[in-house]
Amino acid sequence: DVKVTQSSRYLVKRTGEKVFLECVQDMDHENMFWYRQDPGLGLRLIYFSYDVKMKEKGDIPEGYSVSREKKERFSLILESASTNQTSMYLCASSFSAGTYEQYFGPGTRLTVT
Amino acid sequence: QKEVEQNSGPLSVPEGAIASLNCTYSDRGSQSFFWYRQYSGKSPELIMFIYSNGDKEDGRFTAQLNKASQYVSLLIRDSQPSDSATYLCAPRGTSYGKLTFGQGTILTVHP
Repeated sequence: DVKVTQSSRYLVKRTGEKVFLECVQDMDHENMFWYRQDPGLGLRLIYFSYDVKMKEKGDIPEGYSVSREKKERFSLILESASTNQTSMYLCASSFSAGTYEQYFGPGTRLTVT
Repeated sequence: QKEVEQNSGPLSVPEGAIASLNCTYSDRGSQSFFWYRQYSGKSPELIMFIYSNGDKEDGRFTAQLNKASQYVSLLIRDSQPSDSATYLCAPRGTSYGKLTFGQGTILTVHP
């Protein structure tokens, strides 16, 4: 069974804090993705990575950065958290061939106060 | 025009009925199409994948794809209360397996 894990289910941070969200997958997937999900806006892609140290901006990268130092781990960084970054953050991973099915982690609900 | 549009919900059907979920997409280069189901408070899980024009059946679920019309649908036969969830349509483009998700359709199956 594919397993994608995220470091926290719930997180509360203060405005201006630097926030790290971690994602780990155990299926040797090349691709990893970070999304945020907000009511009425659906799933929006923040960043993705197709290889170690490789990254591409998604649709809403502003205010975020990412790091992928090892194949199994993909980190999302909020450099200076703001209240409009309060959201559900979902990590996903997939192979770079075949069906490209994405497997999702359980999500991190981040609240910035 | 949004890249992926799904029929506005919420959609409510009685138990045992057929639920019909629709999705249109704008990227003609889309290679394949995914339907994900997301229960409240949970993460999305894949329920159907289709890449050829026509129908694909898997148990009570049938996906229908028409690339010329840029349209993909999901039919759920004999709907059950356990099918109550948000259904997300996601075409895959040509870049690194990126998926573009629609906003989702909330389905409620009432006994």
